[in-house]
Amino acid sequence: EAGVAQSPRYKIIEKRQSVAFWCNPISGHATLYWYQQILGQGPKLLIQFQNNGVVDDSQLPKDRFSAERLKGVDSTLKIQPAKLEDSAVYLCASSFVQGAGNSPLHFGNGTRLTVT
Amino acid sequence: GQNIDQPTEMTATEGAIVQINCTYQTSGFNGLFWYQQHAGEAPTFLSYNVLDGLEEKGRFSSFLSRSKGYSYLLLKELQMKDSASYLCAVSLLTTDSWGKFQFGAGTQVVVTP
Repeated sequence: EAGVAQSPRYKIIEKRQSVAFWCNPISGHATLYWYQQILGQGPKLLIQFQNNGVVDDSQLPKDRFSAERLKGVDSTLKIQPAKLEDSAVYLCASSFVQGAGNSPLHFGNGTRLTVT
Repeated sequence: GQNIDQPTEMTATEGAIVQINCTYQTSGFNGLFWYQQHAGEAPTFLSYNVLDGLEEKGRFSSFLSRSKGYSYLLLKELQMKDSASYLCAVSLLTTDSWGKFQFGAGTQVVVTP
């Protein structure tokens, strides 16, 4: 099966600029996650979708981050305006089973964001 | 709050065995996953435990003790390609029943010749 697709692979922007990341999950996977991974740390959940509805965005900095999953398939994550501390790898993941359970996450290769 | 602890780094020789420990203090435990992450790459699934005991998959084994909030990942017959970060992740039940995953910071394993 095709894996989780993400783009772009790398992005360099200046602080206060905006950026958007795109994710296409594995076909048939209802649950989609966006994680932020800062160097040397584990992935931190930003937002979790079930189909096209948000089930957890408690750690999403909503003053600058937004995400959507139109039609319950592709998703985009946007940062506007970016701050230096947003420099990280943004990982998209999907899973077959609804919600978190005993089904592993399948991750995309991530987008490495550098904010200067 | 939720807390997952694992060592920051471990070094071992090619052909040896390494055991990576993970302790967790969480509410709503629903299972424990181990992922491998090579530098600059996405995490990939290694193993899953929900019941106490040992799960073996080739050179990799994972153990869980729910009563102790403890798991370990055992890597046998280490190869150079096993140099990577190993992430412990807990699956948590939530009140909305969708659940969530919480990750540890990862253990960097360095395999030397």
